[in-house]
Amino acid sequence: EVQLVQSGGGLVKPGGSLTLSCAASGFTFSYAWMNWVRQGPGKGLEWVGRIKTEADGGKTNYAAPVKGRFTISRDDSMKTLYLQMNNLNTEDTAVYYCTTDPFIGALDIWGQGTLVSVS
Amino acid sequence: QSVLTQPPSASGTPGQRVAISCSGSTSNIGSNLVYWYQQLPGRAPKLLIHRNNQRPSGVPDRFSGSKSGTSASLAISGLRSEDEADYYCVAWDDIVTGAVFGGGTRLAVL
Repeated sequence: EVQLVQSGGGLVKPGGSLTLSCAASGFTFSYAWMNWVRQGPGKGLEWVGRIKTEADGGKTNYAAPVKGRFTISRDDSMKTLYLQMNNLNTEDTAVYYCTTDPFIGALDIWGQGTLVSVS
Repeated sequence: QSVLTQPPSASGTPGQRVAISCSGSTSNIGSNLVYWYQQLPGRAPKLLIHRNNQRPSGVPDRFSGSKSGTSASLAISGLRSEDEADYYCVAWDDIVTGAVFGGGTRLAVL
């Protein structure tokens, strides 16, 4: 089955850290550019960041609100994407989704979403 | 305030055609591809349109996308009750070097 399974969310205090994981199966993870997207309570979608494939240099880009605090990484041997979040603040409270980037072959796979609450 | 501007709401009756606009600038829509997502209540988003006007496999041809200059549009024809959802446009922005979403449009089927 083609899927992304997320883990690692929860409640954290302001200034704290949390790492989200996103395990891929059913498709060639190493070929996929991967994004993290979040959605605050009652709000719209907000792009968090992207990581390209190792073949494309593994380059990362981040949204301004998280740059310098969040780090996206991938382990192709484990078929897993990570989002390390440091110095969290209340505005980071959201459901976080991992997703494939549709730029490559219109691949559209989303994780189930994981809630991060900063309070 | 989102970089891409969408109307917060839209509505139509079953069978009608509705269009949702997405306005940007030369650094995003004007020079990069536009994608559209549908998000049903309580669900993860689903890709409706990629590369401005291409439908992924499985998306009905009732959905179509277009782009002109710094604006894009999603059209839904033959509106159905199951089309009630939030719709988002997104494009890469060369100035912020990141993807930017529209604020989303909530579509009601009356």
